[in-house]
Amino acid sequence: NAGVTQTPKFQVLKTGQSMTLQCAQDMNHNSMYWYRQDPGMGLRLIYYSASEGTTDKGEVPNGYNVSRLNKREFSLRLESAAPSQTSVYFCASSREVGQFFGPGTRLTVL
Amino acid sequence: GENVEQHPSTLSVQEGDSAVIKCTYSDSASNYFPWYKQELGKGPQLIIDIRSNVGEKKDQRIAVTLNKTAKHFSLHITETQPEDSAVYFCAASLKTSGSRLTFGEGTQLTVNP
Repeated sequence: NAGVTQTPKFQVLKTGQSMTLQCAQDMNHNSMYWYRQDPGMGLRLIYYSASEGTTDKGEVPNGYNVSRLNKREFSLRLESAAPSQTSVYFCASSREVGQFFGPGTRLTVL
Repeated sequence: GENVEQHPSTLSVQEGDSAVIKCTYSDSASNYFPWYKQELGKGPQLIIDIRSNVGEKKDQRIAVTLNKTAKHFSLHITETQPEDSAVYFCAASLKTSGSRLTFGEGTQLTVNP
C-alpha cells in the first residue's frame, strides 16, 4: 500500500514552459486535492476533486489546470510556468475527512 | 470564507517539557479540526483530529482541545522528545465544503535535548 505518490520529486522549468505533475492514490479515496506550500504561508488549496469526474477551484487556481483521470489519478498542469509558481506542490486524498498527503514535488521556475 | 490563525510561529522547548500550539477559526459552521506534523522534506502527516461534538481528545502524549464558543482549538504535546521537532499545522473544515481544509500558517517546534 503506497498511499499517495507524486512524480516528479524535483523539477526545474524556464518561464513559459509547460509541465504536468502526476498524483496517484491506492486507498480507494473519492476526494483528491492539490496544494502549494510557500514559506510562511502554510498550505493553500489550488484545485480539488470531490469525486471522479468533478473538479473545483480552490483558493489559488490561476495559472493551473487539473484532470481527474480516474478514481486513482489527479494531475496538475502548468500551461505557461511563471517564477511566481516556484513552490512545493502536494497532492492529497481523503474518503470523508482526514486528508493523506504525498511526499511533494519541488518546482523551480527560472 | 474560513480563516485560520495559528500561534506561535516558532516554539522552542527543552526535552521533557510540554508544548502548546493554538489556533483560532472564523466560521462557526466549521466542524472538523485536524492537526498535521510535517518533517523536513516530507509531506504533512495527520497526527490527531477532533470533531465539533467533542471538547477534548487524547492520544498518548498528544491531545487536542476545542472551545466552540471562543472558536479556538489547541494542540498539547507532553514530555516532548527531539523527534517531536517539526512544523505543525492546524486546519479547519466547513460543513458545506465537505472535506476541504483551511490551514493555519504553521508552527516550527524545536525540542532541545
